[in-house]
Amino acid sequence: QQQVKQSPQSLIVQKGGISIINCAYENTAFDYFPWYQQFPGKGPALLIAIRPDVSEKKEGRFTISFNKSAKQFSLHIMDSQPGDSATYFCAASIATSYDKVIFGPGTSLSVIP
Amino acid sequence: DAGVIQSPRHEVTEMGQEVTLRCKPISGHNSLFWYRQTMMRGLELLIYFNNNVPIDDSGMPEDRFSAKMPNASFSTLKIQPSEPRDSAVYFCASTHGGLGQETQYFGPGTRLLVL
Repeated sequence: QQQVKQSPQSLIVQKGGISIINCAYENTAFDYFPWYQQFPGKGPALLIAIRPDVSEKKEGRFTISFNKSAKQFSLHIMDSQPGDSATYFCAASIATSYDKVIFGPGTSLSVIP
Repeated sequence: DAGVIQSPRHEVTEMGQEVTLRCKPISGHNSLFWYRQTMMRGLELLIYFNNNVPIDDSGMPEDRFSAKMPNASFSTLKIQPSEPRDSAVYFCASTHGGLGQETQYFGPGTRLLVL
């Protein structure tokens, strides 16, 4: 029940296209859903996050869509660029959990010219 | 701020040797997390501390692994004795904590190779 599922495992998108990564969770106590981006040789870094009181959050080319009833959320990267090539992790946490985060298995995104 | 600092960045050791990984969290952060990342198992949470106190060590794989946080600015993860299957990248992360400040700031990682 603590698991966060993520798909696809890998994704290849052409430059300018839309990248979509999907995640699902079971624990309805989760109340914070961040996405982390990791470049090769670096640690993960927060990209964007959402709370379940909103259905969508947009920051630049990155948008999180959140469906509370389906217990699903997704990351959309518009106008994907080669510089977006990285591994993306969705995650979930509970406010009272000392900020412990449950990470999904990750999606390796490659944006080709 | 310099961010989360980890040392060493790379470690190559032989099976059976003791390995100590070090982490300095961001000043003022209340929680510290140790993760292990491999291709096979992804990003695994090993242990985390809040205000220097270990909260949950259920992710520590075996008794060979131990972690300490003697003060707010320093933590260690020790593997004794090390085994080839411990080869991975080990990350330390810290958070300020509290609503709106849940972001985990990761260090650059320690790449460990056990021969």
